[in-house]
Amino acid sequence: AQSVTQPDIHITVSEGASLELRCNYSYGATPYLFWYVQSPGQGLQLLLKYFSGDTLVQGIKGFEAEFKRSQSSFNLRKPSVHWSDAAEYFCAVGARSSASKIIFGSGTRLSIRP
Amino acid sequence: EPEVTQTPSHQVTQMGQEVILRCVPISNHLYFYWYRQILGQKVEFLVSFYNNEISEKSEIFDDRFSVERPDGSNFTLKIRSTKLEDSAMYFCASSEEMGDTQYFGPGTRLTVL
Repeated sequence: AQSVTQPDIHITVSEGASLELRCNYSYGATPYLFWYVQSPGQGLQLLLKYFSGDTLVQGIKGFEAEFKRSQSSFNLRKPSVHWSDAAEYFCAVGARSSASKIIFGSGTRLSIRP
Repeated sequence: EPEVTQTPSHQVTQMGQEVILRCVPISNHLYFYWYRQILGQKVEFLVSFYNNEISEKSEIFDDRFSVERPDGSNFTLKIRSTKLEDSAMYFCASSEEMGDTQYFGPGTRLTVL
């Protein structure tokens, strides 16, 4: 079955500290992988995506993610977080072969400690 | 930068009534989607739409739900006989090509009383 697991429901880090949000997926076809961010009361903004090629992808706002096929993971990282990074982060998976759905993880809520 | 827009931002309706949620996808996109997010839960796929036909729908998308592209710019989700459990944030998304990045609108919060 296709699924995305984000094992951390809520993470709190200090401003300026590094961040890693975990994401594991289960998908039969070659996956396309995404990270979206949702600020309170807002829509979903694309942070970055992996389709093919270099397994380390850079996104907006200083975020990066690394695709590790052997571990079925696509963890999101940022070397130094800012208070404005506080939001809900969703990992998602799709497929080029499908004209259809993206499957979302349950999300990780990030809080920033001053 | 082009973006997906949705109206209204918040819709309140009585149980049993019909609602229409509206979306304007990015202009050169050909694939359209609706998702919903019940408060505190994950984002769930409802339906995808291409070439004036539904490509795929989830089990959530029962016969009370319908989608339409009434003109060259709008994409609508209609819910008939609304239920309390339809209360959620509804997101529209669009993509340029099959399997391509989906860009999401800001959402419509539907409250069924």
